Amino acid sequence: EVQLVESGGDLVQPGGSLRLSCAASGFTFSSSWMSWVRQAPGKGLEWVANIRQDGSETYYMDSLKGRFTISRDNARNSLYLQMDSLTAEDTAVYYCARIAFIYQYYMDAWGKGTTVTVSS
Amino acid sequence: EIVMTQSPATLSVSPGERATLSCRASQSVISNVAWYQQKPGQAPRLLISGASTRATGIPARFSGSASGTEFTLTISSLQSEDFAVYYCQQYNKWPLTFGGGTRVEIK
Repeated sequence: EVQLVESGGDLVQPGGSLRLSCAASGFTFSSSWMSWVRQAPGKGLEWVANIRQDGSETYYMDSLKGRFTISRDNARNSLYLQMDSLTAEDTAVYYCARIAFIYQYYMDAWGKGTTVTVSS
Repeated sequence: EIVMTQSPATLSVSPGERATLSCRASQSVISNVAWYQQKPGQAPRLLISGASTRATGIPARFSGSASGTEFTLTISSLQSEDFAVYYCQQYNKWPLTFGGGTRVEIK
């Protein structure tokens, strides 16, 4: 069974940093593109970032302006999202998701999410 | 950026009735559209990819279709477990974008 378990969400002050993690199991993690998707309270889904199987390609939503970095450790079956210079607009549930097939960037498995709150 | 516009925002339907949800892309996305279902407090679940291919385990009452830049998700006979929010997503071009969602509620 595919499992994705996010962790690392917390209450953080504006301007602060946070690192989210996602532990993957039940599939060959090193063979899958992966994504982070977020959802602000009461709002819709917003794609954040994607990373290729070997980490050599990454893509980000334009408005992040270099504040977030997606990475992975295939030896640990783990996905990460480093978030810097956080603002209130980054407050959301952050989901880790598996990309179904190479170059078909839809998400066929999702974690339950981890909550990030940016507030003073 | 490709904008995905979903309509209506809310759809009130009685159990057993048909629901038709729409999603319009601001430019061509070919058939690279997926649909997701999200229930309160849960993660999204993939329903449809490639505009019309049901994901594993998705009941046949869910179907997807496309006409140009217009995409439709149809639920043929709504069951109680289908009341949820539905999102479309295009994956033809970066950045990946989602529609704003359609809430299907009990009439």
